[in-house]
Amino acid sequence: AQTVTQSQPEMSVQEAETVTLSCTYDTSESDYYLFWYKQPPSRQMILVIRQEAYKQQNATENRFSVNFQKAAKSFSLKISDSQLGDAAMYFCAYRSFSQGGSEKLVFGKGTKLTVNP
Amino acid sequence: NAGVMQNPRHLVRRRGQEARLRCSPMKGHSHVYWYRQLPEEGLKFMVYLQKENIIDESGMPKERFSAEFPKEGPSILRIQQVVRGDSAAYFCASSPLGVNTEAFFGQGTRLTVV
Repeated sequence: AQTVTQSQPEMSVQEAETVTLSCTYDTSESDYYLFWYKQPPSRQMILVIRQEAYKQQNATENRFSVNFQKAAKSFSLKISDSQLGDAAMYFCAYRSFSQGGSEKLVFGKGTKLTVNP
Repeated sequence: NAGVMQNPRHLVRRRGQEARLRCSPMKGHSHVYWYRQLPEEGLKFMVYLQKENIIDESGMPKERFSAEFPKEGPSILRIQQVVRGDSAAYFCASSPLGVNTEAFFGQGTRLTVV
């Protein structure tokens, strides 16, 4: 079974600076998806960024980028120019590259990010 | 196009009562997933349904929990004879028909058992 580990329960960053959140995973599959979700106090799960394992290029979405190291099974999230609105719980998630089967997400326990003004 | 709608947002039940949580997927979405989030934890998969079919219920407790997604109407997660340990946030996500499509989450239902 796949597992996702986030080793940093809490992180903090100064506004306008850069922070990196860590995520490692375990799988025997060669094709899969990886995601970072943001959960603000409203509890809404918001997709931040997505990476297909077959793509070597790291995904980027504006101030958010990932460092995907497939051999090391590592998938870190970098937030540049941090803003107060980035404060939230961040969850790393894994999903199989399924052909008609279950496409459930496996989540890590999350990292609580605080942004200091 | 409204997002995934869950209701109620908050639900309080006494021990032994039944809890019914509803999820209306986004328009055009035929796949529904239910997840449970305990305090200080990530989301844990419970069940995956397509219209009128349970595809994967590997995360569902064997007793007291059931889920359905009828041809018409919302998906329902039903918890019978609730216990304090059922207190959690329950999230629904939906995705359209197709391989490897994106899932969109609702805002969750927070169940408190007193």
